[in-house]
Amino acid sequence: GIQVEQSPPDLILQEGANSTLRCNFSDSVNNLQWFHQNPWGQLINLFYIPSGTKQNGRLSATTVATERYSLLYISSSQTTDSGVYFCAVSASGGYQKVTFGIGTKLQVIP
Amino acid sequence: DVKVTQSSRYLVKRTGEKVFLECVQDMDHENMFWYRQDPGLGLRLIYFSYDVKMKEKGDIPEGYSVSREKKERFSLILESASTNQTSMYLCASNRNNSPLHFGNGTRLTVT
Repeated sequence: GIQVEQSPPDLILQEGANSTLRCNFSDSVNNLQWFHQNPWGQLINLFYIPSGTKQNGRLSATTVATERYSLLYISSSQTTDSGVYFCAVSASGGYQKVTFGIGTKLQVIP
Repeated sequence: DVKVTQSSRYLVKRTGEKVFLECVQDMDHENMFWYRQDPGLGLRLIYFSYDVKMKEKGDIPEGYSVSREKKERFSLILESASTNQTSMYLCASNRNNSPLHFGNGTRLTVT
């Protein structure tokens, strides 16, 4: 099956700093999503982004499907950004099985 | 707003018991998923369903089965619970080529 690798596995930021999270995948995909899991365990969909660039406030994401990677940018980080960020993909063709990476754990300190 | 509801937030069961985890979605989504989440391992797919009565194995189906008799409901069954099935279980649903929506999770402890 498709492999999803996320980097870095852990990240500590000072409040106000910017960061880039990366997701690499091993095969062509027909969709890609970024999620944030807050400290209470709830998973929130940040972006549905099979290709191109999207922005939502301080967050933006870019997927380059032909090169099999996606980037999540966090600007002016806040303590509420802390948690785990997951990338999830569905391989092209067949049923829409959604496979997750193991995540990037982000801690934003005041 | 899409609502995905898992029947229990916390469950404690004994080894060997048959366990049912229930998930209901209210947006007529074709696809439903069961994942388990363990520290350092991310979310691993157990089973998914793309239509009523249809199911596909995920990456770790051993020890589990599923049932989807109605479009809105997807049940995960642990035929004989074991301690290594202690985990957080997450249900999700979506339409094809659309964002995935998660329930709040069920933390299952098997003693």
